Amino acid sequence: AQSVTQPDIHITVSEGASLELRCNYSYGATPYLFWYVQSPGQGLQLLLKYFSGDTLVQGIKGFEAEFKRSQSSFNLRKPSVHWSDAAEYFCAVAFAGGYNKLIFGAGTRLAVHP
Amino acid sequence: GAVVSQHPSRVICKSGTSVKIECRSLDFQATTMFWYRQFPKQSLMLMATSNEGSKATYEQGVEKDKFLINHASLTLSTLTVTSAHPEDSSFYICSARADSRGAKNIQYFGAGTRLSVL
Repeated sequence: AQSVTQPDIHITVSEGASLELRCNYSYGATPYLFWYVQSPGQGLQLLLKYFSGDTLVQGIKGFEAEFKRSQSSFNLRKPSVHWSDAAEYFCAVAFAGGYNKLIFGAGTRLAVHP
Repeated sequence: GAVVSQHPSRVICKSGTSVKIECRSLDFQATTMFWYRQFPKQSLMLMATSNEGSKATYEQGVEKDKFLINHASLTLSTLTVTSAHPEDSSFYICSARADSRGAKNIQYFGAGTRLSVL
């Protein structure tokens, strides 16, 4: 079955430190890949996406993600975290066919210490 | 661009009443919209796919008579929770997929509606 795994439920980093949030998917082909961020009580904002081409994609707010086909991964990174980055991060994939429905990972809650 | 408006942001209702939630794409057309439900500290679960001019497609386990979806125009989808009960209390989020070629695989999300049923 198609699935998305975010192994880290909760991560705490210090402000200014680097960040990597992990995401793995299970599917027989390359899906469309997304990272969304959700602030408390809010909807989701798209950080970045990968459809094809260059496997390192740049997003908003200084985030980037790298697609690694061999590892079925799409990890999110940021070189220097800001306190305002504290939020819930969701990795999502859309598989070919149908209406490209999104399947979300469980999410990673990021806390930032001053 | 690509703004999705969801209304209301919060609603409190009595058990047994019906509640309607609106999802509008403000600056783009969306033949397809999606409705999600999110429980506290959990991920989003797709409830149904809403298609303009046709019946919605519900995910397994979602009661279509309980959660009525209408997608009457290219910019508006509504979710009506009928005869709401306390177990229907949740955070409901809609998304819209832009019809334009470049953005066809991207879903833009509303801010969500917190439903509390007393």
